[in-house]
Amino acid sequence: DPKIIQKPKYLVAVTGSEKILICEQYLGHNAMYWYRQSAKKPLEFMFSYSYQKLMDNQTASSRFQPQSSKKNHLDLQITALKPDDSATYFCASSQWTGGSAETLYFGSGTRLTVL
Amino acid sequence: GEKVEQHESTLSVREGDSAVINCTYTDTASSYFPWYKQEAGKGLHFVIDIRSNVDRKQSQRLIVLLDKKAKRFSLHITATQPEDSAIYFCAASKVGDNSKLIWGLGTSLVVNP
Repeated sequence: DPKIIQKPKYLVAVTGSEKILICEQYLGHNAMYWYRQSAKKPLEFMFSYSYQKLMDNQTASSRFQPQSSKKNHLDLQITALKPDDSATYFCASSQWTGGSAETLYFGSGTRLTVL
Repeated sequence: GEKVEQHESTLSVREGDSAVINCTYTDTASSYFPWYKQEAGKGLHFVIDIRSNVDRKQSQRLIVLLDKKAKRFSLHITATQPEDSAIYFCAASKVGDNSKLIWGLGTSLVVNP
């Protein structure tokens, strides 16, 4: 059984629309993350949350907003979608973010295509 | 900005042979170097890591070597098996913080039976 569930697996959106990417983890971890994987680019860290609080935000655009309704949920709302937002978005988790490098556990990703 | 470069974008080996994937980094303060594997249609999966206080680490068929002077680290997969076929990513960070990891572009490894 997958321990980190991302929904949907594939998503097609039109430019200017808004979408929410869902992530739930059942590993009992305290920290959750969003990463973006675009073609020909390194994996890009976006956000980290620990105990439902934002720890780090490396995403310049305010169009990307994480939402944590529960400790094991970290959704990603993207507004005013652009074709450049097309990528695979990965949710990940780790035991906690206490300044010590920890193993990341990744979901299987949501592949977003913006037309 | 700081970078991590993976020198092989693709690598093809025969089953049973060894595979070596090389990465270099630019930030001399880097101290943590994990490797992740991504199989088709799946997320990344941790395989092994090394910290700057050692220059070699082994876990079963996986060996990681770190050369701090050359700012280079490598993943050696011995006795390769078809299930080792995947994309392998190296990463580096100078502090123990997952948000600070700098990732390579990945190496697609194909193990031919």
